[in-house]
Amino acid sequence: QVQLVESGGGVVQPGGSLRLSCAASGFIFSNYGIHWVRQAPGKGPEWVTFIQYDGSNKYYADSVKGRFTISRDNSKNTVYLQMNSLRGDDTAVYYCAKDPNSGGTFEYLQYWGQGTLVTVPS
Amino acid sequence: DIVMTQSPDSLAVSLGERATISCKSSQSVLKSSNNKNYLAWYQQKPGQPPKLFIYWASTRGFGVPDRFSGSGSGTDFTLTISSLQAEDVAVYYCQQYYSAPPTFGQGTRLEIK
Repeated sequence: QVQLVESGGGVVQPGGSLRLSCAASGFIFSNYGIHWVRQAPGKGPEWVTFIQYDGSNKYYADSVKGRFTISRDNSKNTVYLQMNSLRGDDTAVYYCAKDPNSGGTFEYLQYWGQGTLVTVPS
Repeated sequence: DIVMTQSPDSLAVSLGERATISCKSSQSVLKSSNNKNYLAWYQQKPGQPPKLFIYWASTRGFGVPDRFSGSGSGTDFTLTISSLQAEDVAVYYCQQYYSAPPTFGQGTRLEIK
């Protein structure tokens, strides 16, 4: 069965950096795009970024563009989210999610991980 | 960005009764090239990640009970629960994936009356 396991969350001071990982199993990882979505406490989900199956195409939300970088290592079935210049409004649970599309564009969020909490004290 | 607006923000329905949640997009999410509406619905229970319930506006996700149905096209969509069960208490979100960035509605909290 499809499994997505996020790790790397924690408490980081404003201006600091953190790298999240999303380890995938149960499907042919190199065939599918992966999203990161975050959810601030008591708020709805906010899409953050997407990486195409081969890493050649990436999209970012305006709120993180220039600060966050998504990447993937298909040999390790893992996607990464490098987060720099963190600020208080980045505090959220960060989820990775599998896209059902094996092409170059994104679709819906088919399977989600359990999430990892990132806290940036403001 | 496409703005997604759900109504109501919260809804209380008696067990066994019908529940209806509306979602409107600020522009059409119907792609003419394939006649598909790029609209999904998710259910989220406390302490859990969102779960895909409906995609392409009306296709139920794996394991989703058939009391759940999605309808609509263009800019107006509806999630209907034909007979509310206790386990349906949750927050429901619509999301468009027609264009970047994918955007979510603010959510509708569904409770038992």
